[in-house]
Amino acid sequence: EVQLVESGGGLVQPKGSLKLSCAASGFDFNSYGMSWVRQAPGKGLDLVADISSKSYNYATYYADSVKDRFTISRDDSQSMVYLQMDNLKTEDTALYYCTADTTGIDYFDYWGQGVMVTVSS
Amino acid sequence: DIQMTQSPASLSASLEEIVTITCQASQNIGNWLAWYQQKPGKSPQLLIYGTTSLADGVPSRFSGSRSGTQYSLKISRLQVEDIGIYYCQQASSTPWTFGGGTKLELK
Repeated sequence: EVQLVESGGGLVQPKGSLKLSCAASGFDFNSYGMSWVRQAPGKGLDLVADISSKSYNYATYYADSVKDRFTISRDDSQSMVYLQMDNLKTEDTALYYCTADTTGIDYFDYWGQGVMVTVSS
Repeated sequence: DIQMTQSPASLSASLEEIVTITCQASQNIGNWLAWYQQKPGKSPQLLIYGTTSLADGVPSRFSGSRSGTQYSLKISRLQVEDIGIYYCQQASSTPWTFGGGTKLELK
């Protein structure tokens, strides 16, 4: 059974930092791309960051809104993916989902339960 | 970025009714389109990918189609467990973008 378990969320002040973690299991983690998708309260889905597998040189993508503030990384030896979030803004408040693309064609076929990040003073 | 415009934003339908949700892409995305279902309080789940292919375990009452740059999700006989919000997503070119969602409620 595929499982994605996020952790590391919480309440942080503007300009603060948080690091989200996602523990993956139940599939060949090394072979697939991983992403973070967020959902602001009552809003839709937005891709935040994406990291490809080693086969694609761990290429990364960032939404313009988080570029230069967020960093996605992965540890294939531990089946973990991370999102380092710096200089947080109130508009970053959202439920952050860890997702996996085991289709290999850029669809999000597995989602974690989500971790809440609240940026507020 | 490719814009995905969903309609309607909300929809109320009766059990056993046929429901259709549409998604308009701002440019050609071929068949690189997925649909997701998000039940209340739950994470989104992949329903359909590649415009017409059902994800594992998805009931056959769900189907997807395309006409040019307009994509449709059809539920042939609405069931109570189908209530939720539906999102389309294009996978043609980065950044992968989602539609704004369609909230489906029971009448």
